[in-house]
Amino acid sequence: GQSLEQPSEVTAVEGAIVQINCTYQTSGFYGLSWYQQHDGGAPTFLSYNALDGLEETGRFSSFLSRSDSYGYLLLQELQMKDSASYFCAVRTADYKLSFGAGTTVTVRA
Amino acid sequence: DSGVTQTPKHLITATGQRVTLRCSPRSGDLSVYWYQQSLDQGLQFLIQYYNGEERAKGNILERFSAQQFPDLHSELNLSSLELGDSALYFCASSSSGEQYFGPGTRLTVT
Repeated sequence: GQSLEQPSEVTAVEGAIVQINCTYQTSGFYGLSWYQQHDGGAPTFLSYNALDGLEETGRFSSFLSRSDSYGYLLLQELQMKDSASYFCAVRTADYKLSFGAGTTVTVRA
Repeated sequence: DSGVTQTPKHLITATGQRVTLRCSPRSGDLSVYWYQQSLDQGLQFLIQYYNGEERAKGNILERFSAQQFPDLHSELNLSSLELGDSALYFCASSSSGEQYFGPGTRLTVT
């Protein structure tokens, strides 16, 4: 099976930088995805890493190290609207997407 | 708006009953995934269909079943409902890997 570990919550102030780490154990690894979910809303896709390295999309960046079974999501220039839950998810060769338990990010003024 | 639609938005029913949740994927997407999210929990993968065929199965109870129709919409059937089945049920569709989620159906079993 798969297991993913990510911190349960992070608090930061507006304008700050937050890094959410995700470590995983899985077989048949294809890639690591990140999703954002506001309270009661649907998860929305943020980024996907299949290869080692950093992917940048605006204020959000995602990193993957396949050899370390580790990735992170970097949120820069935090805004109040970034308060949400962030999930890492592993894509595997059997077409499944397994989600971590989620990290609740709280942005304070 | 992800382009994925789900109905109904809310559903309240009693224990022992059966319900059907409906999902229409984004135009062109052949894969449909179903997830369950209980209060303050992560997303639990239930089942995936690709172009009408079951492709992958997760932690789906025997009381639950799903199917994908020729027009690619999908239905998730939940029977003999228990209080613990109360949750948000999401479907997602994809074509190239990224999954796009519908707004979810909030099921309350009383």
